Amino acid sequence: AAGVIQSPRHLIKEKRETATLKCYPIPRHDTVYWYQQGPGQDPQFLISFYEKMQSDKGSIPDRFSAQQFSDYHSELNMSSLELGDSALYFCASSSLAGGYYEQYFGPGTRLTVT
Amino acid sequence: GNSVTQMEGPVTLSEEAFLTINCTYTATGYPSLFWYVQYPGEGLQLLLKATKADDKGSNKGFEATYRKETTSFHLEKGSVQVSDSAVYFCALSDLAGGTSYGKLTFGQGTILTVHP
Repeated sequence: AAGVIQSPRHLIKEKRETATLKCYPIPRHDTVYWYQQGPGQDPQFLISFYEKMQSDKGSIPDRFSAQQFSDYHSELNMSSLELGDSALYFCASSSLAGGYYEQYFGPGTRLTVT
Repeated sequence: GNSVTQMEGPVTLSEEAFLTINCTYTATGYPSLFWYVQYPGEGLQLLLKATKADDKGSNKGFEATYRKETTSFHLEKGSVQVSDSAVYFCALSDLAGGTSYGKLTFGQGTILTVHP
């Protein structure tokens, strides 16, 4: 079965640079979520999109923005990167038909800011 | 707001031992509850879920029962294997009367190490 695809899997950036993370949800899933997991931490919700509209917002810094495109893939744009942005970034998807009860996670993008 | 609390500290067991990882929650609505597992270097995998009070979720020998009266969702397994070594996260999703789109709130995670 198709899973959530994230790219790149690993990314190394310097401070003050920008980064773009991509997420391709499971086919026919209409909702995408982004989470940030710092070292040894639990995942923290950043933002979600339903049918290409922002549906919920968590602790996402103003330096970050995200959108969902017409093909339902989503991109997380991160600017003015800081050392503290080094983390594992997960994308998850779910579907209205599933009642949002199950979110399927991608393998994550490991961002390292030096 | 919503929160999830898991038992503190790593858990170390011998193979075939009984496992319990405690999880309690606070929610404003009627949450769905989940256990996710994260193997080293990998993403989060849904282990089991329960969507209403008294539901029992089960998978791969793991089980957890949604206890509304004690706001708990403890994870249990009768006989652990070395391959169960991973980090386990308890999580909740509160649809809050339709105003939430199911974002997950996670507990701190519990590191499980099983020795042969």
